[in-house]
Amino acid sequence: GAGVSQSPRYKVAKRGQDVALRCDPISGHVSLFWYQQALGQGPEFLTYFQNEAQLDKSGLPSDRFFAERPEGSVSTLKIQRTQQEDSAVYLCASSQLAVYNEQFFGPGTRLTVL
Amino acid sequence: AQRVTQPEKLLSVFKGAPVELKCNYSYSGSPELFWYVQYSRQRLQLLLRHISRESIKGFTADLNKGETSFHLKKPFAQEEDSAMYYCALSGGYQKVTFGTGTKLQVIP
Repeated sequence: GAGVSQSPRYKVAKRGQDVALRCDPISGHVSLFWYQQALGQGPEFLTYFQNEAQLDKSGLPSDRFFAERPEGSVSTLKIQRTQQEDSAVYLCASSQLAVYNEQFFGPGTRLTVL
Repeated sequence: AQRVTQPEKLLSVFKGAPVELKCNYSYSGSPELFWYVQYSRQRLQLLLRHISRESIKGFTADLNKGETSFHLKKPFAQEEDSAMYYCALSGGYQKVTFGTGTKLQVIP
């Protein structure tokens, strides 16, 4: 069956541009997560949705980062006025249940800010 | 605060040799511990978690609360085990904290 998909797979932005990264979770998965993975580091938690509710956004590094999941399915991570330090792979993951369950990861979007 | 430490960035072993990937954690409550793996050109996937107490692809991991460790072990390494391994911790709901990862290289 279809796994988690993310688009675009690669994004190059000039410093100061806004970007939008999309995540399509596995159908029916309640929970959705965004992670940021810098080069040579492990994934770092950004935010978590349970259906359409954003229950935890403690990992968002600044108010330039915004995530939404308006219908409890597809999610978008938006970064405004991108900076070079935003360059990273952005991973999306989904899980079936509201309580801890295995997270299924997407392939990631590699963002490069020039 | 929850933290996961993987002290080795790279671990090279010969095929057939035992493997131990180290993981230490810091958490004030009772955590759930996991190992995730990323094979070349593939996405991150769950390998095993301590509550399952299972062996996956010959790998096992025992949670040692006294030493706050969750080392990943396999008695005989195979070439197909070469990958990036991440130890991870969940503090009771779904937020997961990952370590920086260890690259396992199995030499034929």
